[in-house]
Amino acid sequence: ILNVEQSPQSLHVQEGDSTNFTCSFPSSNFYALHWYRWETAKSPEALFVMTLNGDEKKKGRISATLNTKEGYSYLYIKGSQPEDSATYLCASPYSGGGADGLTFGKGTHLIIQP
Amino acid sequence: AAGVIQSPRHLIKEKRETATLKCYPIPRHDTVYWYQQGPGQDPQFLISFYEKMQSDKGSIPDRFSAQQFSDYHSELNMSSLELGDSALYFCASSLGTGSYQPQHFGDGTRLSIL
Repeated sequence: ILNVEQSPQSLHVQEGDSTNFTCSFPSSNFYALHWYRWETAKSPEALFVMTLNGDEKKKGRISATLNTKEGYSYLYIKGSQPEDSATYLCASPYSGGGADGLTFGKGTHLIIQP
Repeated sequence: AAGVIQSPRHLIKEKRETATLKCYPIPRHDTVYWYQQGPGQDPQFLISFYEKMQSDKGSIPDRFSAQQFSDYHSELNMSSLELGDSALYFCASSLGTGSYQPQHFGDGTRLSIL
């Protein structure tokens, strides 16, 4: 069983501020780390898939970094906007082969206050 | 762009009945995954298929079965339904397998057992 943990569980941020949160995972037998954005009443939206230690990916105002040696990934949001309010999930596959199911963290619920 | 289509969106059943959930992947996607999300829980992986063959198996109960058809759509068959089966069932699809492939989620089927 893979243990994927996220912190904080919830976060209130003022509009315009930047923020970040953490996903931790076992550093042994690492294959990939997925980030998803999940808005209420919608389906989870894939943000990033990261595989290499030191990897950094960016999509607009959102970016993510990966440290596979210590087993963590950070998601950063620059200049938060109300539309960034969502639950951000990270997930890791059980193994590196086949159509692997993902083990999800419990998510960070982000609320941007105008 | 076409997304993953799940049907029905909502389904109400009674205990001991059967249910069939359908999933139509993004065109050209050959891999399908099923997840179950109970109230207040993170999504739990059930089963996956690649090229119409079962690929990975998670915490799918023996009362459930699934298959992927020649047009790549998938069906999750659930029998002897129990109250604890009430959940949101997500289907996701990807192009090929591999831990680095993002999984694209449908809007889910909300199953309620009375």
